[in-house]
Amino acid sequence: GIQVEQSPPDLILQEGANSTLRCNFSDSVNNLQWFHQNPWGQLINLFYIPSGTKQNGRLSATTVATERYSLLYISSSQTTDSGVYFCAHHQGGSEKLVFGKGMKLTVNP
Amino acid sequence: DGGITQSPKYLFRKEGQNVTLSCEQNLNHDAMYWYRQDPGQGLRLIYYSQIVNDFQKGDIAEGYSVSREKKESFPLTVTSAQKNPTAFYLCASTKGPGYGYTFGSGTRLTVV
Repeated sequence: GIQVEQSPPDLILQEGANSTLRCNFSDSVNNLQWFHQNPWGQLINLFYIPSGTKQNGRLSATTVATERYSLLYISSSQTTDSGVYFCAHHQGGSEKLVFGKGMKLTVNP
Repeated sequence: DGGITQSPKYLFRKEGQNVTLSCEQNLNHDAMYWYRQDPGQGLRLIYYSQIVNDFQKGDIAEGYSVSREKKESFPLTVTSAQKNPTAFYLCASTKGPGYGYTFGSGTRLTVV
């Protein structure tokens, strides 16, 4: 299957800082999505972004499918941004959504 | 508001018991999924269903069973054949290709 590398694996920020999270793929991927899992385990879909750029408030995401990577930008981070961020893609042409290992973000006040 | 409801939030199972985790959605989504998450790990797919009365095994289906008798419901049974069932279980649904996934709040299962 396609290998997914998320970086950095762990990140600690002060409130107000900006950050960029990255997913690299070993091959072209379909239907890329970004998720945030809060400390209580709830997974929230942030972006469905197979290509191009989308923005939602302080968050934005860019996927460059031809170069096999996707970026998640968090600006003016808040403590509520803490948690684990996952990128996920559909395996082959199937409905199976495959997750990366995740990246833990801690935002300190 | 539409969403996915998982119950219970916490579940304790004795050795040798079967337990059933509930997942109900009122989003009118066709596809539903069950994932397992172990501490510090990503999500692994157990089973998925793209339509009523049909489902497919995911990557770690052994020791689990599902049913999809109604569009709204996709219960997961953890059988006694699952040797290491302690984990966080997440249910998800989607309208279909080209749409994002919506997740429930999860069930934490512990073997006692």
